[in-house]
Amino acid sequence: EIVLTQSPGTLSLSPGERATLSCRASQSVTSSYLAWYQQKPGQAPRLLIYGTSSRATAIPDRFGGSGSGTDFTLIISRLAPEDFAVYYCQQYDTSPITFGQGTRLEIK
Amino acid sequence: EVQLVESGGGLVQPGGSLRLSCAASGFTFNNYAMTWVRQAPGKGPVWVSTISGSGSSTNYADSVKGRFIISRDNSKNILYLQVSSLRDEDTAVYYCAKALGHNFLYYMDVWGKGTTVTVSS
Repeated sequence: EIVLTQSPGTLSLSPGERATLSCRASQSVTSSYLAWYQQKPGQAPRLLIYGTSSRATAIPDRFGGSGSGTDFTLIISRLAPEDFAVYYCQQYDTSPITFGQGTRLEIK
Repeated sequence: EVQLVESGGGLVQPGGSLRLSCAASGFTFNNYAMTWVRQAPGKGPVWVSTISGSGSSTNYADSVKGRFIISRDNSKNILYLQVSSLRDEDTAVYYCAKALGHNFLYYMDVWGKGTTVTVSS
């Protein structure tokens, strides 16, 4: 199965700053079938990005995804207070679908 | 509004069983595959099982194969997960999610709030 490794484990930033989250796959995600989710405490994950770079419905354009092969990135251009949460990547290129272990984005 | 509401979780002894349900509304249920994903405390989500829109095709994570059964009632817009032979490591919040993609390779665009399964003696 494809193992997704997210880095850093925790990212401490201030509102207004730019956040860069990484997701590295153990083998190539050949069709760019990679998604990103946001999860806040006590809530379900929320889809942000699918197909590496397509924003889900109602997701602000400060969220952007990029990458190919084994290296993928989620960028939040200017952090809003509500963006502090845990972020997970997920590949749906190869069965079984797998998730990363998460990056916690915390307020500095 | 698209909505998914899970129920049926609880405290169960090792070796026990439960049936989880997920009531769907706000979309044409039988047009979409549905997925169960679980999340143990402090851990990332883990895919459990997926069922096609018609219910004719299913697949399972190796960790639950032979113990869990996914099914759906398209006349009632309900998704089920029968969980049996439960182990401590099955303790988690179980989410149902609407799936998009192809060939059982899906991402999840709508999630329920989850139902908690705790396996403990």
